[in-house]
Amino acid sequence: EAQVTQNPRYLITVTGKKLTVTCSQNMNHEYMSWYRQDPGLGLRQIYYSMNVEVTDKGDVPEGYKVSRKEKRNFPLILESPSPNQTSLYFCASSSQGSGYTFGSGTRLTVV
Amino acid sequence: GESVGLHLPTLSVQEGDNSIINCAYSNSASDYFIWYKQESGKGPQFIIDIRSNMDKRQGQRVTVLLNKTVKHLSLQIAATQPGDSAVYFCAERPQGGKLIFGQGTELSVKP
Repeated sequence: EAQVTQNPRYLITVTGKKLTVTCSQNMNHEYMSWYRQDPGLGLRQIYYSMNVEVTDKGDVPEGYKVSRKEKRNFPLILESPSPNQTSLYFCASSSQGSGYTFGSGTRLTVV
Repeated sequence: GESVGLHLPTLSVQEGDNSIINCAYSNSASDYFIWYKQESGKGPQFIIDIRSNMDKRQGQRVTVLLNKTVKHLSLQIAATQPGDSAVYFCAERPQGGKLIFGQGTELSVKP
């Protein structure tokens, strides 16, 4: 089944403790992206990647890092999480000219 | 600035009726549009897309209409069912650019 898989689905962590949210797609898509979704603010892009080893900042990149060492994986790294990064996170992938396929989301709470 | 918005934040319809969800976009250079459905606790799910060289596209029980003159996009759902209850997002993509998402409209179907 063609899908985007995120892990974990739920995560509660403490301020300052580094964490990684993984994202993997099995559709051989070139493009991958991370979004956060907050009430009243909709989907906001954090980082995106056009292909392996090519990443760029989205609209709200502060406090996040990404890497794209392999085509299928696009992990999101929070080096020092803060409470304002409490949010619902989505990974998405697409091929050129098509819509995005989204993962099921990761609900992150930073206390 | 560029934006994608929705005329109505909430829509309540009776089961069996048709639903129409509207969206205004601001970038006349956008050439690709998508409607997504997001159910509670899940990631956005692709419903239907349309390119700017078309003004109408039909899927199963759904129709998307594009009016480039007034920069308006709509999603019509025929014979709305309880399973259609969700938040619906429109998204636009300026040529060569990335998807820009609207805030979303919550559709509530009354039995």
